[in-house]
Amino acid sequence: QQQVKQSPQSLIVQKGGISIINCAYENTAFDYFPWYQQFPGKGPALLIAIRPDVSEKKEGRFTISFNKSAKQFSLHIMDSQPGDSATYFCAASAEIGFQKLVFGTGTRLLVSP
Amino acid sequence: GAVVSQHPSRVICKSGTSVKIECRSLDFQATTMFWYRQFPKKSLMLMATSNEGSKATYEQGVEKDKFLINHASLTLSTLTVTSAHPEDSSFYICSARDDSQPQHFGDGTRLSIL
Repeated sequence: QQQVKQSPQSLIVQKGGISIINCAYENTAFDYFPWYQQFPGKGPALLIAIRPDVSEKKEGRFTISFNKSAKQFSLHIMDSQPGDSATYFCAASAEIGFQKLVFGTGTRLLVSP
Repeated sequence: GAVVSQHPSRVICKSGTSVKIECRSLDFQATTMFWYRQFPKKSLMLMATSNEGSKATYEQGVEKDKFLINHASLTLSTLTVTSAHPEDSSFYICSARDDSQPQHFGDGTRLSIL
């Protein structure tokens, strides 16, 4: 029940296209859903996050869509650029327990020029 | 803001030695720090959660005597890998947060045990 399932495992998108990564969870106690971007040899960097009281959050080219009833959330990267090529992790946490993050398995995104 | 610094970035040492990794929050006081381990092309695996001034809470399957965690101040946590062996080689990442913000991650430490 602590798992966060992430798909696809890898994704190739042409420059200017839309990248879509999906995650699903089981634990209804989760109330915080961040997305992290990780480049090789670096730590994850917080990209955007959402709480279950809203269905969508947009920051620049990055949008999170959240479906509470389906227990699913997704990251959309609009106008994908080669510099977006990285590994993306979704995560989830609950307010209790010091907000320990449960990470998805990661998606390796390659944006071709 | 919310910068987390991890040192060293890379360490290579002989089997049997102990290695200490430092994690510092540079511009905020970290009430909670986390230590993760990441294998190549895999996700982050939480090892332990530490709060300033108290003992760390280890995840199931993580040997507390092998991975010693100290959170002596609100800006510093250390992870010591004791009597390291080749199977301990990995990418170790720390994160830190206070009560008002999410976890911010360091840039990781690549540990290689020969």
